[in-house]
Amino acid sequence: QLQLLESGPGLVKPSETLSLTCTVSGGSISSDSYYWGWIRQPPGKGLEWIGSIYYSGISHYHPSLKTRVSISVDTSKNQFSLKLNSVTAAETAVYYCARRLLTVAAFDLWGQGTVVTVSS
Amino acid sequence: QSVLTQPPSASGTPGQRVTISCSGGTSNIGRNTVNWYQQLPGTAPKLLIYSNSQRPSGVPDRFSGSKSGTSASLAISGLQSEDEADYYCATWDESLNGPVFGGGTKLTVL
Repeated sequence: QLQLLESGPGLVKPSETLSLTCTVSGGSISSDSYYWGWIRQPPGKGLEWIGSIYYSGISHYHPSLKTRVSISVDTSKNQFSLKLNSVTAAETAVYYCARRLLTVAAFDLWGQGTVVTVSS
Repeated sequence: QSVLTQPPSASGTPGQRVTISCSGGTSNIGRNTVNWYQQLPGTAPKLLIYSNSQRPSGVPDRFSGSKSGTSASLAISGLQSEDEADYYCATWDESLNGPVFGGGTKLTVL
């Protein structure tokens, strides 16, 4: 059964770069049926899409973040990664990686999430 | 401020039927199908309904979805205590060129 697992530092200083990796196990990231995405959820708040990437490397980002965000994919390691630079305390959140169905834009499989705190 | 509008809370007693609404616009719900997610406390969201009314394997038929124009609804019949969770609607937004979520509705089972 395919699973996703986020990993990375739980604490990032303001103005620095947040870096997370999502490892896909039990299946291949190189499927032509899915995009792979990052979604975040600040404490007590709702969900916000950050961006998505196809196994070929085609990526899409939320317009409000596109100047600071980069998502990459490493098919040899079955991983995709998120980099968000110049972070602020307001970006403290649970960060989820998820698989998105190509045809209906629904995230059908999610990682457990990882808490990232932005603080000095 | 979310692109999709949901009531912040809803409630019902066991066995009751409850509905949660989701209102959008012509650039999102009006043009695309709607998905619903259930988030139990302390866990990741789970896909509950996709393409307006389709249930993934394993989701009970007590959960149903519908869409009309620029609005959508999630209905839960035979409410159970384990249904107490946050529910989010979501769809594709043509202006954003990406998925958007509602603000979420906290369902309480009294």
